[in-house]
Formats: sequence, C-alpha cells, structure tokens
Amino acid sequence: AQSVTQPDIHITVSEGASLELRCNYSYGATPYLFWYVQSPGQGLQLLLKYFSGDTLVQGIKGFEAEFKRSQSSFNLRKPSVHWSDAAEYFCAVGPLYSSASKIIFGSGTRLSIRP
Amino acid sequence: EAGVAQSPRYKIIEKRQSVAFWCNPISGHATLYWYQQILGQGPKLLIQFQNNGVVDDSQLPKDRFSAERLKGVDSTLKIQPAKLEDSAVYLCASSPRDKNTEAFFGQGTRLTVV
Repeated sequence: AQSVTQPDIHITVSEGASLELRCNYSYGATPYLFWYVQSPGQGLQLLLKYFSGDTLVQGIKGFEAEFKRSQSSFNLRKPSVHWSDAAEYFCAVGPLYSSASKIIFGSGTRLSIRP
Repeated sequence: EAGVAQSPRYKIIEKRQSVAFWCNPISGHATLYWYQQILGQGPKLLIQFQNNGVVDDSQLPKDRFSAERLKGVDSTLKIQPAKLEDSAVYLCASSPRDKNTEAFFGQGTRLTVV
C-alpha cells in the first residue's frame, strides 16, 4: 500500500531554534519525494524535491531534507527558524518512472513559532 | 509565468445543492489534478487527467462528484448534490507530465456546506 506518514501533528519551536519534521513513506514504485508548505488560506508551495543523487537536498527559504532509503524517511530540517515559517508542512511522494502511480500526501505537520 | 488559477475562492451552499469549481492550469501542462483537503488533513487526490483523459479517479465519489477537461486545458469539478462532509478546500494542481515532476498548486476553493 502507498502511504506517507508524518507522525507529528503539531510542533512548536522557539524562533532561532533548529527544526526537524519527520516523514516516512511506503511506495511501490521508485519514489520522487517532496516537501510542500501551506500558509493559511493559500495553496501548496514546493519547498524542495528529491529523486536521486546527493541524499541531502537544499530547498527554498533555508530548508533542507535528507533522504534515507534504509529508513524510508525524508525528514525536513532548518537550522534556525523564523516567525514567518509558521505554517503547515506536507511531505509527499510521487512517481518517478511509472505513470501508473500518483502523488500522495501525508497528513501534515503544523509548525508554530514561539517568540 | 502565470500560475494555476481557480475560482471561486470561497463558496457557501446548502446541503443537497449543486456547486461547480473551475481550474485553469499552467499553460502547456498536460497533467491536471483535483485534490480535496479536509480541515486538518493532507490533500487527497480525487481525479487526475492526462490531457483530456482520466488517469485516476479511484477516490472520486462518482455518485455525486464529476469532473471534465474537455479540451485538455481548463477543468471543472462539480458536486451534485452536496453533503455536509463535502466541506473542504478543493485544490487544483497541474504538472508538465504525469511522472518525474512536482505538482504546481492553485490557491484552492474553500467550500462550506451548511
């Protein structure tokens, strides 16, 4: 079965602190992995994506993610969060080579920033 | 480059009424998706088009939901009749192809069924 699990529903961190959001996936086809961010009332914006090469991938807004095949994980990190990072974050997995699969999303992690 | 356009942004209807949402994807994008996002959940794919053909509609409640993409460009999603549980944000997304690419999202239509 295809699934994306984000175990943390809500995380609060202090401004300037480091952040790690967890994501685990189960996907039959070779995966293409994504992190999206959604601000209130907005659509989803792509933060970063990964399908091959260096397992540490850089994205926009200072975010990075590390792919660990052995753990089927793709965790999102940021060394120092800003108040503007407060939003909902979604991990997603899509098909790399097979058009028969679809892009599926985790349930999201809501990030709050403590001043 | 213009993004994915959706309308309306907000809609309030009574249960058993009908409603339609419109989406215009990014120019040249062959793949179009409709996702349903219920409050507190991640987006759930309702239907995926490749040009004007349906690729996946396995999670579309076909007794009440319908979607079309007649000329392989813009698309409409219709609900008839609406139920209270259809209250959600309906997101349209597009991508240049059906694999090896991310989806680009519109701002969504927030539907409230009362």
